[in-house]
Amino acid sequence: DIQMTQSPSSLSASVGDRVTITCRASQSISSYLNWYQQKPGKAPKLLIYAASSLQSGVPSRFSGSGSGTDFTLTISSLQPEDFATYYCQQSYSTALTFGPGTKVDIK
Amino acid sequence: QVQLQESGPGLVKPSETLSLTCTVSGGSISSYYWSWIRQPPGKGLEWIGYIYYSGSTNYNPSLKSRVTISVDTSKNQFSLKLSSVTAADTAVYYCARFTVAGTLGYWGQGTLVTVSS
Repeated sequence: DIQMTQSPSSLSASVGDRVTITCRASQSISSYLNWYQQKPGKAPKLLIYAASSLQSGVPSRFSGSGSGTDFTLTISSLQPEDFATYYCQQSYSTALTFGPGTKVDIK
Repeated sequence: QVQLQESGPGLVKPSETLSLTCTVSGGSISSYYWSWIRQPPGKGLEWIGYIYYSGSTNYNPSLKSRVTISVDTSKNQFSLKLSSVTAADTAVYYCARFTVAGTLGYWGQGTLVTVSS
């Protein structure tokens, strides 16, 4: 299995802050990396696919970058509705795996 | 707009088989892959497996011995069976549409299944 790690596990930030979340794969996964946002009691929502492509309807303040083993999700200016948990997921292997999540809460 | 809805018992006894169905509306189940994912309370996401509309499957190696995913194209549904459940299988179970690009773009709302006697 390809193991995914994320850092930090949680962070506190203020509205308007620039937020960066890191995801690392245990082996190279090229650009087969997706990001999801999950709010309490809701299903995850796809934000970014193929490491850097913005899913339709997702605000442009979200961006993704990286390839190989190291990836980042950036929120350029945090909005109140962005407080949530963020997960990365690799699809390089047919056995999909998710990162453990990063919880973004209000400072 | 594609919508997915999970259904099935919310309580299963230890050692029994968990059975869930996902009904797809707003689009055909054909020509797509369909997946199950679960999330224990307060924890992260775990992929269970996926099925192509034709019936070919791929399972999480850690669950493979206990998982069966099947599809019924006539009903626009796919199903999950997880055998020999324990308390560790207590989770919210989600169904989702899986693309060849590896994304899970459409999700059901999730259903909590508790394993308890």
